[in-house]
Amino acid sequence: DAGITQSPRHKVTETGTPVTLRCHQTENHRYMYWYRQDPGHGLRLIHYSYGVKDTDKGEVSDGYSVSRSKTEDFLLTLESATSSQTSVYFCAIRPPGPSSEQYFGPGTRLTVT
Amino acid sequence: GQSLEQPSEVTAVEGAIVQINCTYQTSGFYGLSWYQQHDGGAPTFLSYNALDGLEETGRFSSFLSRSDSYGYLLLQELQMKDSASYFCAVSGGYQKVTFGTGTKLQVIP
Repeated sequence: DAGITQSPRHKVTETGTPVTLRCHQTENHRYMYWYRQDPGHGLRLIHYSYGVKDTDKGEVSDGYSVSRSKTEDFLLTLESATSSQTSVYFCAIRPPGPSSEQYFGPGTRLTVT
Repeated sequence: GQSLEQPSEVTAVEGAIVQINCTYQTSGFYGLSWYQQHDGGAPTFLSYNALDGLEETGRFSSFLSRSDSYGYLLLQELQMKDSASYFCAVSGGYQKVTFGTGTKLQVIP
């Protein structure tokens, strides 16, 4: 299994509070991704990174920011959590090459009350 | 932009063969992937097609027709453990991958 972990695995927070989710990889891959998964929507890309300090927006980036100061860590921050951000968040890494093969972390279930 | 369509649910009998279709519209296309996700778990990569034709990996095969913007995942000798959601995904480049909304496969005895 690819070495990718996420923390925390579960979190309950209140509306308006900041939340940071962490993704850590031991594979030294360049590309890292944050997705959210909601019923009926599949996996939707929030932000991705193509190197240290190199990030870009995905299709549902509003309300989220990311940072990547080290190859192995990719942080997702909700500056002021809202109930619409209740979701399961997955981090993924992508090996080099043309294939779109991605390895996913175990996910973080976030509930915003 | 990119969009994908796949059936929301499919039911099949243990031991049978099932085909899950995926049609896509994309402004740039590198390949079509398939992922499996069991309830409560993370998606896991199954296959990738960049060229037209059939790719076989054990009981699973994946097909791509670039001219028809169409692909499918074929599962043979279905087992109960194959009950899961299956997602197709298009790669429009090295960075972005767009996923379909998933097909929930139920395998019944």
